[in-house]
Amino acid sequence: GDSVTQMEGPVTLSEEAFLTINCTYTATGYPSLFWYVQYPGEGLQLLLKATKADDKGSNKGFEATYRKETTSFHLEKGSVQVSDSAVYFCALSPRSGYSTLTFGKGTMLLVSP
Amino acid sequence: DAGVTQSPTHLIKTRGQQVTLRCSPKSGHDTVSWYQQALGQGPQFIFQYYEEEERQRGNFPDRFSGHQFPNYSSELNVNALLLGDSALYLCASSLGTASDTQYFGPGTRLTVL
Repeated sequence: GDSVTQMEGPVTLSEEAFLTINCTYTATGYPSLFWYVQYPGEGLQLLLKATKADDKGSNKGFEATYRKETTSFHLEKGSVQVSDSAVYFCALSPRSGYSTLTFGKGTMLLVSP
Repeated sequence: DAGVTQSPTHLIKTRGQQVTLRCSPKSGHDTVSWYQQALGQGPQFIFQYYEEEERQRGNFPDRFSGHQFPNYSSELNVNALLLGDSALYLCASSLGTASDTQYFGPGTRLTVL
């Protein structure tokens, strides 16, 4: 079945550092790919998405590119802020049929001043 | 424009009891999906409701059941609660079952003692 693998955390960075969180997936066909963010005590917020190969999703300085050849969707940000501290989830959804999300286990990001 | 709302925020039950969680979808959305998020894990898909019927189900036992009302709101029922049912239960809404973008509510934190 479909699955998502994320790098384990926590990822600890200083403010203004470069961020990369790795995500790879296994799926039948070509799924849509997502990054969701969860702040402490809250639900999930959609951060960005990409629906086909070579698409780049971007939002709030975060970017991720859909790489079909490596089945990856790594999240990047050039300069993190303390307010970016949260748990980040990579997820996929099949392009056909019922749209249900399969999530990775999440990666906690801690940014210090 | 109201987003996805869930009630209650927190709930404490004892083993063997039954619980009902409620969800109101984002305005204009007609599809509701439920996810279980255990502590430190990514959300896992429970089931999806559209046109008042269960359309897709994840790997959860029959103790988990649901309902969707004509106004698109939904309930999640769990019978014979186990300690392992302690989790954050997330509701997500979308427009149609094939929409790849789901919007999440803040969740209901269920603790089973």
